[in-house]
Formats: sequence, structure tokens, C-alpha cells
Amino acid sequence: EDKVVQSPLSLVVHEGDTVTLNCSYEVTNFRSLLWYKQEKKAPTFLFMLTSSGIEKKSGRLSSILDKKELFSILNITATQTGDSAIYLCAVSAGTYKYIFGTGTRLKVLA
Amino acid sequence: EAGVAQSPRYKIIEKRQSVAFWCNPISGHATLYWYQQILGQGPKLLIQFQNNGVVDDSQLPKDRFSAERLKGVDSTLKIQPAKLEDSAVYLCASSASGTAYEQYFGPGTRLTVT
Repeated sequence: EDKVVQSPLSLVVHEGDTVTLNCSYEVTNFRSLLWYKQEKKAPTFLFMLTSSGIEKKSGRLSSILDKKELFSILNITATQTGDSAIYLCAVSAGTYKYIFGTGTRLKVLA
Repeated sequence: EAGVAQSPRYKIIEKRQSVAFWCNPISGHATLYWYQQILGQGPKLLIQFQNNGVVDDSQLPKDRFSAERLKGVDSTLKIQPAKLEDSAVYLCASSASGTAYEQYFGPGTRLTVT
């Protein structure tokens, strides 16, 4: 059975800290791994990763994929209160099917 | 570019009643998804359309849930009759066809079944 597991489930940090969120997966016909940020309702897209070892970066956020060990990490440096959200990892497998993890709830304290 | 539209935003019904949700995807997106997100969990795929054909509905509780996508554009998801455990946010998403591109999500509909 395809599955995506995220850790930790929740995290509380102070502004300025660096956090690392983890996503591991077991799927057949892997296509890509996606990270989303969910603040209120709709998840918003952050990154899509398809190749191992190539870092995607956007401002203070970066992510990398390891297809051999079947995991990805999302790093956030110099965290701000606006980074408080649920971070979702999804893996695309088979015919454009997306399997989501349960998410990591991040709270950044001022 | 207009985003994915959903309505209503909120709905409260009693158990055993019926409810319908509507979704209008981004123009030109052939693939449309309906997800159920229960509080504290990640989105769970209910059904996936490619144009107006169903690609995957393996996790759709077909005894009470139904969905259609007329003319390959708008889609409706119906629950009849609703149960307490159907309380969740129902998210609609769309993506470009042909590749596993990122999905764009609508604002969701929060359903409360009492």
C-alpha cells in the first residue's frame, strides 16, 4: 500500500530558528514529491522535486529529495511567525495520483 | 489567472440529509481532484477526473458519495445521506493534463454534520 509519512507531527520554535521537516514515502511508480503550505484552508504549492540531490530553493525555504533512501526534507531558515502553518508532503504516483502525508504543524513564536 | 473556485464555503447539515459541493477548476486544466481532509489529517483523495472520465475513485464511499464532471469542466460532489464522520473540509484541486504537475487547490468547503 502506498504511504507517505511526515515527521515530526508538530513543532514549536522561536523566531530565527532553523527547522527541518521530514517526509518519507513508499509508493509504486514514483513520479514526483511535492511540498505544500496550508495556513487556513487551501494548500499552496511550495516545491516539486523529481530528481535526487538537486536542491530547490525559494527565499528561506529549501528542499531536497533522496530517491534512493525514499525521503525528502524541507528546511526553513530564520523562521518568522508567518511561517506558522501545516506543511504537507505529497507524492505523485501512477496516473497523476497524489498521496498526502498527515502534515507537520509548525508554530513559530515571536 | 483565476484560481479554483468552490462553493459553498461552509455548510451545516443534520445526519441523513443530502449535500452537494461545486467546483470550477482553472481554465484549461484537464485533471480535477476531490479530496476530503479531516481535522488533523492530510487530504485524502476521493475521486480524480481526467476531462470528464473517472481515473481513480477507489477511496470514494460509493454507497453515499457521488461525483460528476459534466463537459470536462465543472464538477459536483454529492453526499446522500450524510453521516457524522463526513464532517471535514472538502477540497477541490486541478492540474494541467499530461504530467504530474503541481495541483492548485480551491478554498475548500467546510462541512459540519450534526
